[in-house]
Amino acid sequence: KAGVTQTPRYLIKTRGQQVTLSCSPISGHRSVSWYQQTPGQGLQFLFEYFSETQRNKGNFPGRFSGRQFSNSRSEMNVSTLELGDSALYLCASSLTDRLATNEKLFFGSGTQLSVL
Amino acid sequence: AQKITQTQPGMFVQEKEAVTLDCTYDTSDPSYGLFWYKQPSSGEMIFLIYQGSYDQQNATEGRYSLNFQKARKSANLVISASQLGDSAMYFCAMRESGTGRRALTFGSGTRLQVQP
Repeated sequence: KAGVTQTPRYLIKTRGQQVTLSCSPISGHRSVSWYQQTPGQGLQFLFEYFSETQRNKGNFPGRFSGRQFSNSRSEMNVSTLELGDSALYLCASSLTDRLATNEKLFFGSGTQLSVL
Repeated sequence: AQKITQTQPGMFVQEKEAVTLDCTYDTSDPSYGLFWYKQPSSGEMIFLIYQGSYDQQNATEGRYSLNFQKARKSANLVISASQLGDSAMYFCAMRESGTGRRALTFGSGTRLQVQP
């Protein structure tokens, strides 16, 4: 069974540009969540989607947005890039949207975004 | 206050020895789950082990075990018989059911280096 696939693996952009990152969850998984990982702030939750609906959102500005398609694939978009947006963006999928403490998240290898 | 605290930024261990990675957490929610993930240099977060707040026994998964001390709010990861391939970042994470959110809260991580 293929794991979570994120594309592209690396991305270099300049300030002010926008970027779109893609995530394909494990087959059959319907929940996709996104995390930002930086050396300074660590891993922070961005948002979660289930059945094309955003279920939760982290404490990030409106420049960060996302969506989910009917096949559960998800994209996240960052507009008007800032230097501080340089980070590893990780996508995770899970089978359901149950609020169960034991539901595992399966992560992809991430997209490393560098903003110059 | 930090929800998840990992006080060891870096650890060294000799191959074939056991190592303990520390994790303390802060929550007033009686129902929560604790996770450990491994992140090799490839970037992918790999699930290792889970412990629920109501679990009576410490979780074990192969060479990984979780030393869960609920009263002390600690959930230390024990890796037995370390291997060179265990060199990676290790993250402790928590999900609290009372928040109504499925997002994981991560600690700052511990970099483990296994020496031959």
